[in-house]
Amino acid sequence: AQSVAQPEDQVNVAEGNPLTVKCTYSVSGNPYLFWYVQYPNRGLQFLLKYITGDNLVKGSYGFEAEFNKSQTSFHLKKPSALVSDSALYFCAVRDIGGNDYKLSFGAGTTVTVRA
Amino acid sequence: DGGITQSPKYLFRKEGQNVTLSCEQNLNHDAMYWYRQDPGQGLRLIYYSQIVNDFQKGDIAEGYSVSREKKESFPLTVTSAQKNPTAFYLCASTTDGLNTEAFFGQGTRLTVV
Repeated sequence: AQSVAQPEDQVNVAEGNPLTVKCTYSVSGNPYLFWYVQYPNRGLQFLLKYITGDNLVKGSYGFEAEFNKSQTSFHLKKPSALVSDSALYFCAVRDIGGNDYKLSFGAGTTVTVRA
Repeated sequence: DGGITQSPKYLFRKEGQNVTLSCEQNLNHDAMYWYRQDPGQGLRLIYYSQIVNDFQKGDIAEGYSVSREKKESFPLTVTSAQKNPTAFYLCASTTDGLNTEAFFGQGTRLTVV
């Protein structure tokens, strides 16, 4: 079975401060990991993914994420947050183990960046 | 433009009625997915399909049905057996390969009245 946990329902930061959104995962094999962002009443937009190789992945809009296998984590980060980063963020995982395309998401974290 | 189209955007249903949500993609993607989104519960997988004429139950398939007769289409039927169908429904697709990201439609908001 595969699952994702986002331990924080909400993250609040001031504009210009670093932003971190936490994600931990559980898979039986090795993971493919993804981050998405959602704006109100819209679909999800892809930000970045970890497939293999460098543990630090860079993505859209200045976001990056660090894969940590020993801690089974894939935290999303941005060095300097903008008010426009306020949105709902989702982490997702797919287990590489079998030829199964199942893609599982976490509960989401609402990010609020105050001016 | 390539993408995923969900229709309608808003849907109202009377209790006891079945309703079908449309999802069409022109991305030539192999895999398609249906998720349900409720506040505080994130995205929960209803059904997914890796190829035409094949689909698998997700985590909350009870009360739902799907078909995958064409590569570009993956309609979801919410049946009267679904106890609490009011939610935001999202369709997604991915190209071939486990390492590919999903593309999402804009969603259908279903309300039971």
